[in-house]
Amino acid sequence: DTEVTQTPKHLVMGMTNKKSLKCEQHMGHRAMYWYKQKAKKPPELMFVYSYEKLSINESVPSRFSPECPNSSLLNLHLHALQPEDSALYLCASSRFLSNQPQHFGDGTRLSIL
Amino acid sequence: AQSVTQLGSHVSVSEGALVLLRCNYSSSVPPYLFWYVQYPNQGLQLLLKYTSAATLVKGINGFEAEFKKSETSFHLTKPSAHMSDAAEYFCAVNSGGSNYKLTFGKGTLLTVNP
Repeated sequence: DTEVTQTPKHLVMGMTNKKSLKCEQHMGHRAMYWYKQKAKKPPELMFVYSYEKLSINESVPSRFSPECPNSSLLNLHLHALQPEDSALYLCASSRFLSNQPQHFGDGTRLSIL
Repeated sequence: AQSVTQLGSHVSVSEGALVLLRCNYSSSVPPYLFWYVQYPNQGLQLLLKYTSAATLVKGINGFEAEFKKSETSFHLTKPSAHMSDAAEYFCAVNSGGSNYKLTFGKGTLLTVNP
């Protein structure tokens, strides 16, 4: 069992739908991350939150909208996605935005029809 | 700037044989180095980390890695492979700086033959 919990595990949506991915951790970590992982590739960083404030946005298209409502929760709101956005979306957390190791959830497998 | 190179996108070993997965890094400052494992349909699990203490680092599941500054390497080893070790392995570096981003290698798929 991972200490970072992501829901849902699988999501199929059309290009006009709006959906949200959720991530939760109760380790007291103050940095949280969203990654996108395509098949047979390493994770690519999308967003970083530090103390609930957006710290890094890796030039992600605006159809992806992150939100960090409190220190334990991280959301990724999805709207008008494209087929190339189909991927595994991973959430991670670390004690602080530092060299400390990141702990990953099991991800949400997203398919865009 | 920081980067990671994993030599060999696919490594195949027999059960009970030595596992050696290679990782070389580039960093302008002393790096923090990590090995992660990813099993099918799962997230990444931290195997071990180097944080400038002992150069020989022991991790979970019998894996260990040795930091060699002169060779800029951080190779992952396990004396005896088990079928359950079959997975994708990622080496990663975090050199700090203003954004503390984690840079991953391209990954090595380990298969274990009975």
